[in-house]
Formats: sequence, C-alpha cells, structure tokens
Amino acid sequence: EPEVTQTPSHQVTQMGQEVILRCVPISNHLYFYWYRQILGQKVEFLVSFYNNEISEKSEIFDDQFSVERPDGSNFTLKIRSTKLEDSAMYFCASSGSMGPPSLYGYTFGSGTRLTVV
Amino acid sequence: AQKVTQAQTEISVVEKEDVTLDCVYETRDTTYYLFWYKQPPSGELVFLIRRNSFDEQNEISGRYSWNFQKSTSSFNFTITASQVVDSAVYFCALRGGAGNMLTFGGGTRLMVKP
Repeated sequence: EPEVTQTPSHQVTQMGQEVILRCVPISNHLYFYWYRQILGQKVEFLVSFYNNEISEKSEIFDDQFSVERPDGSNFTLKIRSTKLEDSAMYFCASSGSMGPPSLYGYTFGSGTRLTVV
Repeated sequence: AQKVTQAQTEISVVEKEDVTLDCVYETRDTTYYLFWYKQPPSGELVFLIRRNSFDEQNEISGRYSWNFQKSTSSFNFTITASQVVDSAVYFCALRGGAGNMLTFGGGTRLMVKP
C-alpha cells in the first residue's frame, strides 16, 4: 500500500534555529498538507498545497512557516525561527483530488516529533 | 465555521466489551465528508473510514461499525468485542464541501484492559 514518508522521525532543535521537515507524498497525489499535533491535543490544520502554491492556510501558519515542493517528490515545511511552542508532532498528508476525496481519503505520514529546547 | 466535538475524552473498557465513541459535528455545507482515524501509541494516524453527506447508510467492517445520523449531526463509531490492540486515541474529522482541510475533534482515548 502506498505510503507518505516523513523524515526525520524526531528532531531536537534550539530555540531560534531554523528547521526543515521533509515529506515524500504518494507519487500520484496532487494535494499536500501539513498538520500539527501538540502533545495530548487535537490535530490542527496548518496548510494545503496544490499546483505549486498554497491553496489554504490556517491562522497558525504565520510568516515563520513556509512550504515548498523543491522537486517532483519532496514536500517540505520550514520553520524559520523556532519557538518553544512549536514543539509538536508534525504530520504530512497527501490526497488525490480536490473534488470528492480520493478513495482512501487523506493518507498521513508517521509524523515528525519536533522538540524545541 | 466547522466544528467537531468528541465529548468523551477517555473511555476504559474490559476486553470483549462493546464500546461506542461519539462524534458530533457542525457545518453549514450541504456537501461534506466525515472521517475516523486511529492513533495508536506509536503516534501515526491510521485511516479507518470516510463517509460523505449523501450516504447515510451505516457501515460495518469486521468488529467496527459506524452510525451516521444527519438529523442529529452525529457519526458514531462502535467497536464490538473490543481487544487490547484497539487501545488508541480515535479522532473524528470533517471536511466541508469547499476547501480541502480536515477539522479534527479532540479525540477519545480508548483503553481496553485484558
């Protein structure tokens, strides 16, 4: 079964440092997403990306965040200057179409646990 | 605005008991999609089911069943004869007709004791 792959699985960074989280979505999917889950809390939408541009973003996704699809396979989330409150699990997801969701809905990666110290 | 409420934060049952996880949603869209995801202790999100707003048929998959009631804006999930491996956090989620984002509920932590 196709998978969404995220690397690294765990990253520790110092406050103020830039961090890049990497994702390889399912190859024939067109829509890509980042979600965040602060420990013990619900999963929150950050941003969706289609046709090489952001299609939706939440209030959480401020100027400190950016996304990029630098080549045909990777999808990255950059946090420019990390804060303690950015510590969370970050999930990448992909889906096949904008219309009715793909047969398998959204496929999530296993997540990257970001710890800001 | 969309909202998903899972009023049960934690449920504890003994193996082989049946358990129902509640999900109530709010949306102004006439077309929408509802999902359930399982998050085991390892942390990943595992897709369980997708249901669109036009299809109110209940669904059964093995020990899992889902009851979608548009009249009460609910999409409840029942596990029959629970097993220890069912222990996880379960999230209900909603996608509206426009846009692609999923709105998640707060999750229900299910603990199944042997």
